Amino acid sequence: EAQVTQNPRYLITVTGKKLTVTCSQNMNHEYMSWYRQDPGLGLRQIYYSMNVEVTDKGDVPEGYKVSRKEKRNFPLILESPSPNQTSLYFCASSPRLAGLELFFGEGSRLTVL
Amino acid sequence: DQQVKQNSPSLSVQEGRISILNCDYTNSMFDYFLWYKKYPAEGPTFLISISSIKDKNEDGRFTVFLNKSAKHLSLHIVPSQPGDSAVYFCAATRGDKLTFGTGTRLAVRP
Repeated sequence: EAQVTQNPRYLITVTGKKLTVTCSQNMNHEYMSWYRQDPGLGLRQIYYSMNVEVTDKGDVPEGYKVSRKEKRNFPLILESPSPNQTSLYFCASSPRLAGLELFFGEGSRLTVL
Repeated sequence: DQQVKQNSPSLSVQEGRISILNCDYTNSMFDYFLWYKKYPAEGPTFLISISSIKDKNEDGRFTVFLNKSAKHLSLHIVPSQPGDSAVYFCAATRGDKLTFGTGTRLAVRP
């Protein structure tokens, strides 16, 4: 089954404790991206990657890191989480750049205390 | 600076009638416009898209209209069904960047 898988789905952590949210897709897509969803703000892009070893900042990259060492994986790293990073995070992938029809994961709800 | 705006946070429609969801944008350089649908506890799913060189695209009950002079995009759902109740996000691309609106919650009443 074609899918984008995120882990963990739910996480409660404390300020400053490094965490990684993994994302994996099995569709051989070149484009992958991370978004956060917050009430009243919609979906905002954090980082995106057009291919292996190619990453770029989205609209809200502060406090996040990513890496793209393999085509299928695109982890999101929070080196020192803060409460303002409490949010619902979505990973997505796309087979092409034009039109960017994204396939989303189910989301990871992160709470930073 | 919100480049893609959905000014109506919610919309309620009777089953069988038309639902019209609206979206405005400020950047005339966008290449494509898309609509995504999101149910609770799920990731968004792609619904329909339109190239900036077209003014209409239709897929079954869903039609997207693009008015470039007004920088306005709309999604028409005819006829509306209770299963269409969800949050709808419009989005726009410029190259490899995708920008989303804030979403409109559609409720279709039986």
